[in-house]
Amino acid sequence: DVKVTQSSRYLVKRTGEKVFLECVQDMDHENMFWYRQDPGLGLRLIYFSYDVKMKEKGDIPEGYSVSREKKERFSLILESASTNQTSMYLCASSLGRRGENEQFFGPGTRLTVL
Amino acid sequence: GENVEQHPSTLSVQEGDSAVIKCTYSDSASNYFPWYKQELGKGPQLIIDIRSNVGEKKDQRIAVTLNKTAKHFSLHITETQPEDSAVYFCAARRYNFNKFYFGSGTKLNVKP
Repeated sequence: DVKVTQSSRYLVKRTGEKVFLECVQDMDHENMFWYRQDPGLGLRLIYFSYDVKMKEKGDIPEGYSVSREKKERFSLILESASTNQTSMYLCASSLGRRGENEQFFGPGTRLTVL
Repeated sequence: GENVEQHPSTLSVQEGDSAVIKCTYSDSASNYFPWYKQELGKGPQLIIDIRSNVGEKKDQRIAVTLNKTAKHFSLHITETQPEDSAVYFCAARRYNFNKFYFGSGTKLNVKP
């Protein structure tokens, strides 16, 4: 079974702090994704990566950056956390150069910014 | 870009009844339409998908239909059970693109 793990289930940070969310997948998938999930808005894509050191902006990249130094790991960085970044963050991965296959999701990290 | 709309936002049914969730999409180039189920405290999990060259697909109590002309697709769950209670998301993706566009989600409650 594909396993996507996220470093924390719950995280509480203060405004202005630098926040790192880590995601690891164990199935050698090329593609990795970071989504934000808010009530009534579904899942919105923040960034994705289709290869090591490659990244592309999603629909809501402002205030976020990402890092993919190893194939299995994709990090989401909030350079200076703000209260409007309080949300559920979901990481996903998929096989295939062009993301033609099923996305597998991690359990999510619920981030609260005070 | 693609815009996916999903209805209803909440759905309550009696155990054993059927449930239908509907989605529309805007980009006629979209050709892959997955449905995800998210249980409490977990990430979404794929339950069924359909590609644009197929009009209907079934997997036991779950079926998905696609109308390419009208740009809408639907999830049908028959003989609902309490364990079907979850949030369901539809999504759409263009061929050869990495990006999925998700609907806003439907919270299904199956009453025993």
